[in-house]
Amino acid sequence: GQQVMQIPQYQHVQEGEDFTTYCNSSTTLSNIQWYKQRPGGHPVFLIQLVKSGEVKKQKRLTFQFGEAKKNSSLHITATQTTDVGTYFCAGNTGTASKLTFGTGTRLQVTL
Amino acid sequence: DAGITQSPRHKVTETGTPVTLRCHQTENHRYMYWYRQDPGHGLRLIHYSYGVKDTDKGEVSDGYSVSRSKTEDFLLTLESATSSQTSVYFCAISRQGPLSEQYFGPGTRLTVT
Repeated sequence: GQQVMQIPQYQHVQEGEDFTTYCNSSTTLSNIQWYKQRPGGHPVFLIQLVKSGEVKKQKRLTFQFGEAKKNSSLHITATQTTDVGTYFCAGNTGTASKLTFGTGTRLQVTL
Repeated sequence: DAGITQSPRHKVTETGTPVTLRCHQTENHRYMYWYRQDPGHGLRLIHYSYGVKDTDKGEVSDGYSVSRSKTEDFLLTLESATSSQTSVYFCAISRQGPLSEQYFGPGTRLTVT
């Protein structure tokens, strides 16, 4: 079945440093979504990428979808303490009516 | 906020007892999902529904059943709870179909002793 892996599992940065998490799928994806989950909270949708090579930005967050549509990345510039949480990617192959979530990357930011 | 509530929010139960978790939505969306979240595993799909009385299995459906008799309610039942079902359970909806973004409820923390 479809597998979606994320690396790293955990990263601890100082405020102001950059952060990147990578998402890799065993199969080609029709689209990829990114979610953020604050500690003790529920996942919240951030963005969806559909096109090969697509890049989208949301303020300090930059999302990329790979040319082969099998990988994606989320980059945060100049992290802030409000960025703390776990970031999940989720994708589907288009033939299934469901998303497969990655294992998540937990980000800790300290002053 | 997608108008999703889950009940109960916390539950402690004993091994072998039946447990039902409820997900309620106020926006009449067709697609609803049940996930469990465990450390190191991310979110794993248990069951999903694409309409009243239309449900299908996800990747970790063993030991779980679901029912959807009304658009707004999606019930998850553990027929005989086991300690391996201790987890946080999230319900989700998608507004524009199965490939669109999902909106999650607040979660239910279930402990099976």
